[in-house]
Amino acid sequence: AAGVIQSPRHLIKEKRETATLKCYPIPRHDTVYWYQQGPGQDPQFLISFYEKMQSDKGSIPDRFSAQQFSDYHSELNMSSLELGDSALYFCASSVFGGGLGNTIYFGEGSWLTVV
Amino acid sequence: AQSVSQHNHHVILSEAASLELGCNYSYGGTVNLFWYVQYPGQHLQLLLKYFSGDPLVKGIKGFEAEFIKSKFSFNLRKPSVQWSDTAEYFCAVNGRSGGGADGLTFGKGTHLIIQP
Repeated sequence: AAGVIQSPRHLIKEKRETATLKCYPIPRHDTVYWYQQGPGQDPQFLISFYEKMQSDKGSIPDRFSAQQFSDYHSELNMSSLELGDSALYFCASSVFGGGLGNTIYFGEGSWLTVV
Repeated sequence: AQSVSQHNHHVILSEAASLELGCNYSYGGTVNLFWYVQYPGQHLQLLLKYFSGDPLVKGIKGFEAEFIKSKFSFNLRKPSVQWSDTAEYFCAVNGRSGGGADGLTFGKGTHLIIQP
């Protein structure tokens, strides 16, 4: 069965550069979530989208932005990268608005290393 | 590679019943263990976590979990559930090898429905 696809899986950038992570949700899923997990830390919720609109916002830095496109894929744009942005970025998708049964599926994550 | 197995995909309980959700993991090294909850329409929230020390971990909202290393288990428990506990629960493991983390692996989740 199709899963949540994230790309790239690994990315190395220098400080002050820009990075873009992509997330392709499971077909027919209309909600996308982004999480950041720093080394040895808990995943932190960044932002979510439902039907291409931002639905919830967590601890996303102002240097980051994200959007969901008409085909429901999402991109996380990170500018002016800092060493502390080095982390594993998870994307997840689900069907929203269905009440219970709103199973969330996670991608395998994108490793970002800032040097 | 690390993996997480949650035994029950759907659990239905009545209010005031006791809860235990099973979680087993597979990893050859040191692990950090987590339970997350997702309420309908919301994002993941951390219930509790185990890094080291006392294997009985207490979290928010009356939840607790016990790490049993010999069984590779980290079951979630609550003595008396409430209707508001209706949600999806995820067990997750974060392996630690060498100097870095292997990333977080989640189980497939358990739908918990509490009937009034």
